[in-house]
Amino acid sequence: GESVGLHLPTLSVQEGDNSIINCAYSNSASDYFIWYKQESGKGPQFIIDIRSNMDKRQGQRVTVLLNKTVKHLSLQIAATQPGDSAVYFCAETSNRDDKIIFGKGTRLHILP
Amino acid sequence: GAGVSQSPRYKVAKRGQDVALRCDPISGHVSLFWYQQALGQGPEFLTYFQNEAQLDKSGLPSDRFFAERPEGSVSTLKIQRTQQEDSAVYLCASSLNVLTDTQYFGPGTRLTVL
Repeated sequence: GESVGLHLPTLSVQEGDNSIINCAYSNSASDYFIWYKQESGKGPQFIIDIRSNMDKRQGQRVTVLLNKTVKHLSLQIAATQPGDSAVYFCAETSNRDDKIIFGKGTRLHILP
Repeated sequence: GAGVSQSPRYKVAKRGQDVALRCDPISGHVSLFWYQQALGQGPEFLTYFQNEAQLDKSGLPSDRFFAERPEGSVSTLKIQRTQQEDSAVYLCASSLNVLTDTQYFGPGTRLTVL
């Protein structure tokens, strides 16, 4: 069936470096994509979203890139901080659906 | 508080018991969602309400799972005759209006079935 997946289950990054978390999606009908951050014991927290008519969107220290040709989504975090340690999920949906499909998640580990 | 709240935060049930999980969405949010999150996995959609109407329950794993939102605000997810495979974190989320509005998640209820 349709699915959203991630390339790496765990990513270790030096504090202060940039982090890049990747995600592949398979539903070509998806037109809205979201990145969530989930800290231990908490619910997912919205980070940034992007619609299929865009290929890049920037927030505060975060950038999401969308490549529809290869069905690839990435989250870039600039100047990674200890507070960025969490599991990051990409998710997809479309205007024709009423559910969000989450990927399995990537754990971001910050090295001191 | 301003966020989505869920209770209880932790629930331990013996196999065969019924449980009820509560979600208080953000005031004024029309849409409410329930998700199930197994350990090490992403949340999986269970059901969706728009006001008091349950518009999609296709994600409910069996007829032992039942959700309601009778007054279009607080929602309850009920699981009857719990099984060990029901052990998971149950997340509730609400959004202002339609699906593509930002969904705000509660902290979840961790259910452990012994």
